Amino acid sequence: SQTIHQWPATLVQPVGSPLSLECTVEGTSNPNLYWYRQAAGRGLQLLFYSVGIGQISSEVPQNLSASRPQDRQFILSSKKLLLSDSGFYLCAWSVGRVEKLFFGSGTQLSVL
Amino acid sequence: SQQGEEDPQALSIQEGENATMNCSYKTSINNLQWYRQNSGRGLVHLILIRSNEREKHSGRLRVTLDTSKKSSSLLITASRAADTASYFCAFTSGTYKYIFGTGTRLKVLA
Repeated sequence: SQTIHQWPATLVQPVGSPLSLECTVEGTSNPNLYWYRQAAGRGLQLLFYSVGIGQISSEVPQNLSASRPQDRQFILSSKKLLLSDSGFYLCAWSVGRVEKLFFGSGTQLSVL
Repeated sequence: SQQGEEDPQALSIQEGENATMNCSYKTSINNLQWYRQNSGRGLVHLILIRSNEREKHSGRLRVTLDTSKKSSSLLITASRAADTASYFCAFTSGTYKYIFGTGTRLKVLA
């Protein structure tokens, strides 16, 4: 069966520090991969999505970047975190076109 | 903004009552989906309705879609305390992008 792993679960980082969040999917090939951010009590904002290795679509211009070095690995990065980067980050995957999304358990990022 | 809008933002009901939440969107869509999120967790897919469908059922869930009004509703019948969560609609529009609504926080009182 398919599973998605996202880590760490919580992260506290100082302003200006780098960031690397990793997400991996098991049990499927060529998934579509997504990074969302959720502010407290709010909806989900699509940050990046990828339909294949090395193919990254950015939805929100900001100091975050994403990479997909392997078929089932999706990484969210920042060189210098801002206070406004705080939030709940969710990785998700789907297969095929516009079918349902499967979400990871999320990373709560606090930038202080 | 492409984001969907949901109402109400929050809903509090007694166990056994029905809960209805609504979603509106602005673009043409391929399908519309509903997800559930327990506090501090990832989202879980509940139900998907395609643009050529008007109504769909799954257990205690009933979803309707009115593409002429660009709106959808989720009805949870005979609610239980365990239904307490946030509920989000999401839609896709010709690409691989899933756009989420603002969410409805449902609280079911025992």
